[in-house]
Amino acid sequence: SYELTQPPSVSVSPGQTARITCSGDALPKKYAYWYQQKSGQAPVLVIYEDSKRPSGIPERFSGSSSGTMATLTISGAQVEDEADYYCYSTDSSGNLSVVFGGGTKLTVL
Amino acid sequence: QLQLQESGPGLVKPSETLSLTCTVSGGSISSSSYYWGWIRQPPGKGLEWIGSIYYSGSTYYNPSLKSRVTISVDTSKNQFSLKLSSVTAADTAVYYCQWSSGSDFDYWGQGTLVTVSS
Repeated sequence: SYELTQPPSVSVSPGQTARITCSGDALPKKYAYWYQQKSGQAPVLVIYEDSKRPSGIPERFSGSSSGTMATLTISGAQVEDEADYYCYSTDSSGNLSVVFGGGTKLTVL
Repeated sequence: QLQLQESGPGLVKPSETLSLTCTVSGGSISSSSYYWGWIRQPPGKGLEWIGSIYYSGSTYYNPSLKSRVTISVDTSKNQFSLKLSSVTAADTAVYYCQWSSGSDFDYWGQGTLVTVSS
């Protein structure tokens, strides 16, 4: 079955740049999406179609994708950005089967 | 403001069928090019996609759950539903409903905890 691989944890100090990666064989052909999930809350979309930012999401959140890896970048991470982040995409089989990455815990302290 | 709310039993017995409904308020779900889906999250674990149904009526399910899952939509009630049969303790999770366009239109319910236990 198709898998998306994320690092379990990333840690940065406030004001530093946090980068969270997501690797998957179908990413050259399929968009990556990124969700932020704070403790006890529903996930919130922060990046769609690799690099687009929904309205209301701070400009410090950006996304990119190259080859088999997508990257979520938080420039100047804030304490309030501490959360779990999940990438999300589909496989390339054409059956629109969705997969989530395992999630990355971002610690900002 | 668009809101999604999951509803259904919080406790289901093993081998029975889990049934949840997602009710949409603040907008009509009778929209083209959109889809409705269900995602779950076992306690302390990551997100798992269960399946989606498109406006066309086409359904797509997680291969690992496909034999037990049915997702349907009732546009007249502004609702969509999830049925998961033959549940076990491994199906204990927070279940989320989602309404998305696949781009920046993406709304989730707050989630509902379903525990499978006798």
